[in-house]
Amino acid sequence: NAGVTQTPKFRILKIGQSMTLQCTQDMNHNYMYWYRQDPGMGLKLIYYSVGAGITDKGEVPNGYNVSRSTTEDFPLRLELAAPSQTSVYFCASSHNNEQFFGPGTRLTVL
Amino acid sequence: KNQVEQSPQSLIILEGKNCTLQCNYTVSPFSNLRWYKQDTGRGPVSLTIMTFSENTKSNGRYTATLDADTKQSSLHITASQLSDSASYICVVSFYNTDKLIFGTGTRLQVFP
Repeated sequence: NAGVTQTPKFRILKIGQSMTLQCTQDMNHNYMYWYRQDPGMGLKLIYYSVGAGITDKGEVPNGYNVSRSTTEDFPLRLELAAPSQTSVYFCASSHNNEQFFGPGTRLTVL
Repeated sequence: KNQVEQSPQSLIILEGKNCTLQCNYTVSPFSNLRWYKQDTGRGPVSLTIMTFSENTKSNGRYTATLDADTKQSSLHITASQLSDSASYICVVSFYNTDKLIFGTGTRLQVFP
């Protein structure tokens, strides 16, 4: 199993650009999550999904959108990138209360 | 306010030494407490998960303790190795939900 995979690893965006962060898991987990990790801060939940077709907002959803058309994929969309969205983004899936994290995407908005 | 606080923020130890990291939380109601290890540039990896009824749990050289009365947890690392250099994150979950509150982590550096 590859576990949770994320692409790209790094990305630089200009203010106002849009992009999609990809997340895929091959463990057939129903629950999936998107977090952001800012320097010196704990991870913050952006969006989560309890299964295909179901998504819900987390603690910091503004400026982001998600979709969950399949069990495997949970992409995160940034429509109008802002410098405040500069962060490291982690996708995770969970089973039996344990969360498995991807390697992260480091995003810089200039 | 539901918070998870960790101390120290950073720690430097010599290879082979033991160390203990602390976690205090105010999350209520509480379901379980987790410790994660996060290597630089990588995602967090689970070390231990303890429910409110468990006092201690080990994973190799890592031993976590939990005092649900005082809302404190510790992670003890025995005979540290260079590969233990990482951030260690304490995470608490709300009762009966999947919502997690993350601490800011302790940055551990092990030198030879």
